[in-house]
Amino acid sequence: EAGVTQFPSHSVIEKGQTVTLRCDPISGHDNLYWYRRVMGKEIKFLLHFVKESKQDESGMPNNRFLAERTGGTYSTLKVQPAELEDSGVYFCASSQGRGWANEQFFGPGTRLTVL
Amino acid sequence: QKEVEQDPGPLSVPEGAIVSLNCTYSNSAFQYFMWYRQYSRKGPELLMYTYSSGNKEDGRFTAQVDKSSKYISLFIRDSQPSDSATYLCAMSDTGRRALTFGSGTRLQVQP
Repeated sequence: EAGVTQFPSHSVIEKGQTVTLRCDPISGHDNLYWYRRVMGKEIKFLLHFVKESKQDESGMPNNRFLAERTGGTYSTLKVQPAELEDSGVYFCASSQGRGWANEQFFGPGTRLTVL
Repeated sequence: QKEVEQDPGPLSVPEGAIVSLNCTYSNSAFQYFMWYRQYSRKGPELLMYTYSSGNKEDGRFTAQVDKSSKYISLFIRDSQPSDSATYLCAMSDTGRRALTFGSGTRLQVQP
């Protein structure tokens, strides 16, 4: 069974540009999550989709970040315009939708560098 | 104060040693507790998953949760050089699925 995949693995952009990150969850997983780790800090939650609906977006830092999950399959996270403090590693995770089981499986991450 | 505290290490042990990794937390609503292993430049890999208090064993790994003390542990028996990685604790409550992570402990097992 394929795991969570993310694209690209690494992105270098200039301040003010736009970047779109993609996540493909494990097949059949209704729950999809975005997290990020900025330098020197712990991994922080950004938001949670259940199928195509945003269940919890309390961790989104500001309105420069837009997440979508059209059709309830893959998800994109767009940063527009990017700022220096957006640099970090963005992780996607997915989990099944049964009950309160919350075993989340992570992708390899996208390393974003904003210059 | 952070919700989850974890000693960043590094922790260096000889091969074959028993390793003890720990986290403390402040949010009494946390019910689900996880340990992830992360190798350099990779994503976190789920090692152990525990609901509420108690122990769980899987091979060389044992996870313990003491909710009265708000303290969780991961024990690694017969540690191997391949266990060298960063170990992250994570937890969530029953109301939200968002995980709250510790900062991670870097472990080095010397051959």
